[in-house]
Amino acid sequence: TQLLEQSPQFLSIQEGENLTVYCNSSSVFSSLQWYRQEPGEGPVLLVTVVTGGEVKKLKRLTFQFGDARKDSSLHITAAQPGDTGLYLCAGLQGAQKLVFGQGTRLTINP
Amino acid sequence: NAGVMQNPRHLVRRRGQEARLRCSPMKGHSHVYWYRQLPEEGLKFMVYLQKENIIDESGMPKERFSAEFPKEGPSILRIQQVVRGDSAAYFCASSPLRASYNSPLHFGNGTRLTVT
Repeated sequence: TQLLEQSPQFLSIQEGENLTVYCNSSSVFSSLQWYRQEPGEGPVLLVTVVTGGEVKKLKRLTFQFGDARKDSSLHITAAQPGDTGLYLCAGLQGAQKLVFGQGTRLTINP
Repeated sequence: NAGVMQNPRHLVRRRGQEARLRCSPMKGHSHVYWYRQLPEEGLKFMVYLQKENIIDESGMPKERFSAEFPKEGPSILRIQQVVRGDSAAYFCASSPLRASYNSPLHFGNGTRLTVT
């Protein structure tokens, strides 16, 4: 079973600060996805990274896929209260099912 | 274009009762996935179905749990003789093709099951 470990599990910072959260595995994934989930709602896809070393930007969010395709990071610049939520990474296991990390719960304080 | 619809949003059952959770995938999507989420945790895969077929049920408990996705109508996750440990949020996701990097999953807003 391919496992995804996310760190930190909880992060609380002030508005305007930068942060990075990590998603690590001992296994290689063909692709990794990042989702954000808000209370009472389902996860919403933010980005998919496919190629080792790939970097994708989504406004103030920067996603990176490790060269060996075993890890990924999400960096947020100048965090805002609207960034608060549960951030989940997920990777395809085998050919057909998506497995999730346990998530990073991010709180941005005004 | 409606998203993935799950109902009910909240379900309360006493121990020993049955719980039926429904999921209507997005229009045109024939692949359905069920996940369970405990508080402060990520999503745990339960089962993957394609119309009328169970493709992968490796995450489903062997007893009391079953899932179906009939030719007509929503996918149903059924939990018989519920116990307190079944209390969780159950999410359904759909995709037009088998999950892949270019066929991402679209999630519903979940059913929150509470067993008293």
